[in-house]
Amino acid sequence: AQSVTQPDIHITVSEGASLELRCNYSYGATPYLFWYVQSPGQGLQLLLKYFSGDTLVQGIKGFEAEFKRSQSSFNLRKPSVHWSDAAEYFCAVGEGSWGKFQFGAGTQVVVTP
Amino acid sequence: GAGVSQSPSNKVTEKGKDVELRCDPISGHTALYWYRQSLGQGLEFLIYFQGNSAPDKSGLPSDRFSAERTGGSVSTLTIQRTQQEDSAVYLCASSLERGAGTQYFGPGTRLLVL
Repeated sequence: AQSVTQPDIHITVSEGASLELRCNYSYGATPYLFWYVQSPGQGLQLLLKYFSGDTLVQGIKGFEAEFKRSQSSFNLRKPSVHWSDAAEYFCAVGEGSWGKFQFGAGTQVVVTP
Repeated sequence: GAGVSQSPSNKVTEKGKDVELRCDPISGHTALYWYRQSLGQGLEFLIYFQGNSAPDKSGLPSDRFSAERTGGSVSTLTIQRTQQEDSAVYLCASSLERGAGTQYFGPGTRLLVL
């Protein structure tokens, strides 16, 4: 069965600084990988996804993620965070033929002035 | 177009009562998911519907939980004899593509069992 690990429960970053959120997965085949964001009081919104092809994917709000098969990782990055990026971020892995998703426990991002 | 809607947005109930949570997926989406998000926890998969296929109920925590999807559209999650540990936000998502397509989430139903 697949699993997803987000090692960092909580990250504090200064506005304007870079951000990297870690995600490691365990899955036998090439997974479908996703990053979602949940802002306070909001539903989950898709930031980006990887199915195949270019391992560096661009998403909304200036986020990008890189799929590294050798490290079983799909880390999310943003070069310069904005106060509005304060939210909880979830990595997810899906099984292509089945559709079931496994979500990580989430990383809470706090942005300081 | 309209997104995924859920009702009610908040529900307070007494221990032992039954509750029904409703999800209206995006029109045309064949896949529908229910998740539970407890305070400080990630998303816990509950059940998955895909078209007319038998649902995947492997995530339901107990036989007090059940769900149905009528006409391939609206879904209802029912929790019987609620317990305090059932308190959580229940999220519904729908997806257009078969398989691990992008899921679009509703705003959730916040359930509090007293």
